[in-house]
Amino acid sequence: QQQVKQSPQSLIVQKGGISIINCAYENTAFDYFPWYQQFPGKGPALLIAIRPDVSEKKEGRFTISFNKSAKQFSLHIMDSQPGDSATYFCAAFKISSGSARQLTFGSGTQLTVLP
Amino acid sequence: NAGVMQNPRHLVRRRGQEARLRCSPMKGHSHVYWYRQLPEEGLKFMVYLQKENIIDESGMPKERFSAEFPKEGPSILRIQQVVRGDSAAYFCASSPLGRRWDTQYFGPGTRLTVL
Repeated sequence: QQQVKQSPQSLIVQKGGISIINCAYENTAFDYFPWYQQFPGKGPALLIAIRPDVSEKKEGRFTISFNKSAKQFSLHIMDSQPGDSATYFCAAFKISSGSARQLTFGSGTQLTVLP
Repeated sequence: NAGVMQNPRHLVRRRGQEARLRCSPMKGHSHVYWYRQLPEEGLKFMVYLQKENIIDESGMPKERFSAEFPKEGPSILRIQQVVRGDSAAYFCASSPLGRRWDTQYFGPGTRLTVL
């Protein structure tokens, strides 16, 4: 099964708060997990990514936490700002998949950060 | 360095007409990917192409859809005899070398509406 499940579908956070978005995957062959940020009318842009050999990766206010045994990973946005309001997609990728290069995306989380 | 370019940004077609979507990858990128995003859903992989070659078309519908990436010019996604269910945002992404871990850079998408 090539599915990635994402929750919540929408999230409203106050400015300065922590935004948390969760994803779960089924295929243990996935070995690269990027997060994409998409603003209205734009294409998705890579935000941060993690390999399953580490449990956490932090870049500025954005942190990915990874739980390999539970097949779950999450995005934490610290000190959320109104400019972070966007749709966030988790994705999974099989680096060791021969010629295939397809990203498998979650269904997206629409984040609204209130001023 | 211009990003991935897609045109048109918006396309309206009546049922039964043909839709042609164009994608110019980033400069220096020779690998192109097409994804489709239905309303309220994540992106779904359609096809992966290199110059003059289709590498992986496992996500392409069997009928009416075709893609090409000629030696010269943009990649084209062609949808024949469009139906209302084809209404979606179509995103193109490109990567430089096609290495398994290459970041895919997305264009702004083409919003197709079928009347």
